[in-house]
Amino acid sequence: GDSVTQMEGPVTLSEEAFLTINCTYTATGYPSLFWYVQYPGEGLQLLLKATKADDKGSNKGFEATYRKETTSFHLEKGSVQVSDSAVYFCASAARGGGNKLTFGTGTQLKVEL
Amino acid sequence: DVKVTQSSRYLVKRTGEKVFLECVQDMDHENMFWYRQDPGLGLRLIYFSYDVKMKEKGDIPEGYSVSREKKERFSLILESASTNQTSMYLCASTPRVFDTGELFFGEGSRLTVL
Repeated sequence: GDSVTQMEGPVTLSEEAFLTINCTYTATGYPSLFWYVQYPGEGLQLLLKATKADDKGSNKGFEATYRKETTSFHLEKGSVQVSDSAVYFCASAARGGGNKLTFGTGTQLKVEL
Repeated sequence: DVKVTQSSRYLVKRTGEKVFLECVQDMDHENMFWYRQDPGLGLRLIYFSYDVKMKEKGDIPEGYSVSREKKERFSLILESASTNQTSMYLCASTPRVFDTGELFFGEGSRLTVL
């Protein structure tokens, strides 16, 4: 079945550092890809998405590009802030998969002053 | 804004007790989901429902059941709670046409089974 693999955390960075969280997927066909974020004490919320190869999703300074050749969807941000501290989940949704998402294990990000 | 409300943020139950987790959404969404979230395992789908009185098993349905008597409400039931069901439970909903790919999540219910 479909699966999503993302780097283990926690990832600890200093404020204004560059962030990369790796995500790779396995799927039949070409799924839609997502990054969700979970701030402390809250539910998950959609951060960005891409629905086809070479699409770039972006939001709040975060970006991720759908790379079909490497089956990857790495999350990046040029300059992180303390307020970005959260757990980040990569997810995929198969086309015709009935609205079901497959999530990665999550990566905790801690940003320090 | 879409709001998904889970009735209890924190619950403590004893082994063998029957547990009800309630979820209500206010955006007339057809699809509703129950996930459990565990460290190192991410989110795993327990059950989902595409319409009133309809339910489908997810990846880990064992030990759980669900009820969808009204469109806005989706309940997760643990018939006889066990310690390995200690977890964070997340409810989510989407409209029938899933073109945005966005799941709307509640804040979660943290269940501890002693």
